[in-house]
Amino acid sequence: GQNIDQPTEMTATEGAIVQINCTYQTSGFNGLFWYQQHAGEAPTFLSYNVLDGLEEKGRFSSFLSRSKGYSYLLLKELQMKDSASYLCAVREGKAAGNKLTFGGGTRVLVKP
Amino acid sequence: DSGVTQTPKHLITATGQRVTLRCSPRSGDLSVYWYQQSLDQGLQFLIQYYNGEERAKGNILERFSAQQFPDLHSELNLSSLELGDSALYFCASSVGRGSGNTIYFGEGSWLTVV
Repeated sequence: GQNIDQPTEMTATEGAIVQINCTYQTSGFNGLFWYQQHAGEAPTFLSYNVLDGLEEKGRFSSFLSRSKGYSYLLLKELQMKDSASYLCAVREGKAAGNKLTFGGGTRVLVKP
Repeated sequence: DSGVTQTPKHLITATGQRVTLRCSPRSGDLSVYWYQQSLDQGLQFLIQYYNGEERAKGNILERFSAQQFPDLHSELNLSSLELGDSALYFCASSVGRGSGNTIYFGEGSWLTVV
């Protein structure tokens, strides 16, 4: 099974940087995803990591360390529209059907 | 627009009733996933289908069932509904079943049980 932990809530100022950490304990690992979800809306894909290291995509970057069971999502130059929940999700291995299991999400509030 | 279509968008029904939620995956996607999201809770994985066959099962209640049809659309059937079943039900799809296949979510079906 999977245990995925991320902070419940974070607050940051417009224009600043916020780092959302995610730790996981898994019986199988086949990639880690980050999604953004505004309240009442569908999660939207942000990033995917399967190898160790940093993946950069515009203002968003995601890092993975498989040996530590750790990932973070870095949001730079925060904008008000970035206020949302950020979901860390781990894909289990083939034996588990490659299903995607989500953490509880981190609610980020961007203040002016 | 993710390309995943879910109907109905909103549904209000009484306890004890049965409802069916429908999902059309993105064109070309073979895998369909169902998730439940209750108020202020995370996404709970229910079940996954790949090309018509069940691939993985999560915390899906026995009162719930799903299937994927030959045209790849999927239905989630919820029966003997209880108040606690009120939630946002998401369908998602991906091209395949292997690693790296991004999962795209539909807009969800809001179910309210009264």
